[in-house]
Amino acid sequence: EAGVAQSPRYKIIEKRQSVAFWCNPISGHATLYWYQQILGQGPKLLIQFQNNGVVDDSQLPKDRFSAERLKGVDSTLKIQPAKLEDSAVYLCASSLVGTGMGNTIYFGEGSWLTVV
Amino acid sequence: SQQGEEDPQALSIQEGENATMNCSYKTSINNLQWYRQNSGRGLVHLILIRSNEREKHSGRLRVTLDTSKKSSSLLITASRAADTASYFCATPSNDYKLSFGAGTTVTVRA
Repeated sequence: EAGVAQSPRYKIIEKRQSVAFWCNPISGHATLYWYQQILGQGPKLLIQFQNNGVVDDSQLPKDRFSAERLKGVDSTLKIQPAKLEDSAVYLCASSLVGTGMGNTIYFGEGSWLTVV
Repeated sequence: SQQGEEDPQALSIQEGENATMNCSYKTSINNLQWYRQNSGRGLVHLILIRSNEREKHSGRLRVTLDTSKKSSSLLITASRAADTASYFCATPSNDYKLSFGAGTTVTVRA
């Protein structure tokens, strides 16, 4: 079974530039997550999709971050304009359904962003 | 705010020794999960324990859950170099949002 695919793996941009990350979840997984993980910290949920609808985006900085999941499969996360504090690993994950009843989340390898 | 918090922040042990880390959480949960993250990689699910379970085993892993104290522990027995990683506990803060702690970094010395 193929895992969660993410690209690019690494990106270095200057502040105020824009960047986009792509995620392809495990086939058949209805729920897709984007997490931000700053070095030395645990992952923080940015946005959660159920199929192509947003379930939770309460911690997404909407003035600069946007995400979409067209057709309920692939997803993109965009940052525009980037700030220095956006330097982090952006982890995409998916699960069959939501995690409330104990469904396992499967993570991709992450996209490492450095803003200089 | 984070639901679960791991303790200690870092742990260094000799190969073959056991490693124990703890997780405390704030609100009632119906399950608690542990994940591992090797350096530069994504997180990998290790084990899930439900609120009506007190102990669960998976290979060299043993997880306990004490809902009265709102705490869980992860024990890795007979540690190996490959166990060097960060370990995170994760709890659902509501029906759909899984929150992670800051993690325990485990270093296994050869």
